[in-house]
Amino acid sequence: AQSVSQHNHHVILSEAASLELGCNYSYGGTVNLFWYVQYPGQHLQLLLKYFSGDPLVKGIKGFEAEFIKSKFSFNLRKPSVQWSDTAEYFCAVRNYNNNDMRFGAGTRLTVKP
Amino acid sequence: DSGVTQTPKHLITATGQRVTLRCSPRSGDLSVYWYQQSLDQGLQFLIQYYNGEERAKGNILERFSAQQFPDLHSELNLSSLELGDSALYFCASSVGLGVDGNTIYFGEGSWLTVV
Repeated sequence: AQSVSQHNHHVILSEAASLELGCNYSYGGTVNLFWYVQYPGQHLQLLLKYFSGDPLVKGIKGFEAEFIKSKFSFNLRKPSVQWSDTAEYFCAVRNYNNNDMRFGAGTRLTVKP
Repeated sequence: DSGVTQTPKHLITATGQRVTLRCSPRSGDLSVYWYQQSLDQGLQFLIQYYNGEERAKGNILERFSAQQFPDLHSELNLSSLELGDSALYFCASSVGLGVDGNTIYFGEGSWLTVV
């Protein structure tokens, strides 16, 4: 079964700083990749997803992620964070063959004004 | 609002008891997923139903069971509850099976506290 690793548990940034959250997975087959965000007290919302095609995926709110197949990675980036980006971010990987979807442990992002 | 509705929002119950969590998927969605989010285990996939049939199974305990009804709503039954079952239980839905490219939308979750 695949597993998903998010390297940072808690990231603290100042507004306007650049963000990169790491995500690696351990399944060698075909996968679909996702980043979800969970704002305080809210449900998970999809930021972006990768199924096929251009490995650089653009999502909502200025986020993007790059799928690097050789590195089994799908890192999330944003050039300039805002205070409103304070949330928990989850990377998820779905096994295309059996639809099993696994989430990373999450990375809490705190953006200081 | 994702369109996925979960009830109850909060539930406190004693160890050994049984509870049922309910989920109504978005209109038109055939797949329903259940996830458990706890502090120590993170977000874990429990089970998926598609059009009434079990489709995929994750880390779901034998004490837990789920079903999807003809009207596509789903229930997650948790029995012989233990303190460690305290968690936020999310339901999610998608139009298709998931691997077909459809987005999975999450509900707001049901907070279960076992005392």
